[in-house]
Amino acid sequence: EVQLVESGGALVQPGGSLRLSCSASGFTFNKNSMHWVRQAPGKGPEYISSISGNGDTTYYADSLKGRFTIFRDNSKNTLYLQVSSLRAEDTAVYYCVKDRGGTWSFDKWGQGTLVSVSS
Amino acid sequence: QTVVTQEPSFSVSPGGTVTLTCGLSSGSVSTNSYPSWYQQTPGQAPRTLIYSTNIRSSGVPDRFSGSILGSKAALTITGAQADDECDYYCVLFVGSAWVFGGGTKLTVL
Repeated sequence: EVQLVESGGALVQPGGSLRLSCSASGFTFNKNSMHWVRQAPGKGPEYISSISGNGDTTYYADSLKGRFTIFRDNSKNTLYLQVSSLRAEDTAVYYCVKDRGGTWSFDKWGQGTLVSVSS
Repeated sequence: QTVVTQEPSFSVSPGGTVTLTCGLSSGSVSTNSYPSWYQQTPGQAPRTLIYSTNIRSSGVPDRFSGSILGSKAALTITGAQADDECDYYCVLFVGSAWVFGGGTKLTVL
């Protein structure tokens, strides 16, 4: 069974940084692209970033380029999202999502990790 | 900037049929946008319903179906049930990124 477990969410002050992690199991991690999606309180989900199975190719939402960095460690079956210069509007649940290969869509979602940005 | 449009809310009677749509602020939705649909109940992560326009994800009842209607992607629920009352989001692949619609809150009453 596919399992995605996010961690690293926290209460952070504006301007701070955070690294989110997603531990994956139940599938061949290095054969699958992965994504990060976030959802602010009371809002719809927002696409952040994607990374190919071998980590060579990354995509970012145009509006979020620059402060977000996606990367992965296939030896640890773990996906990461580094976020810097955090702002109040970055407050959201951050989801790790497995790609459904060849269909340009999302497959399985983790339960998410909450990032709160406040002074 | 690409904007994906959805009806903010919709209502359907139990047992009824409802079609939710997903459009683009400029242009038409086609299968080349790989429309997908996600269902979300309060406090839970989204769940994949439909991908590649009309393919149901594993375990999704066949009363959920996807299609292209005119210039939009569509999600049709046939025989709506009380537990279908939740939020529905479409996603389109545009350029080199995925764009979410604003979501439709479906009420079953």
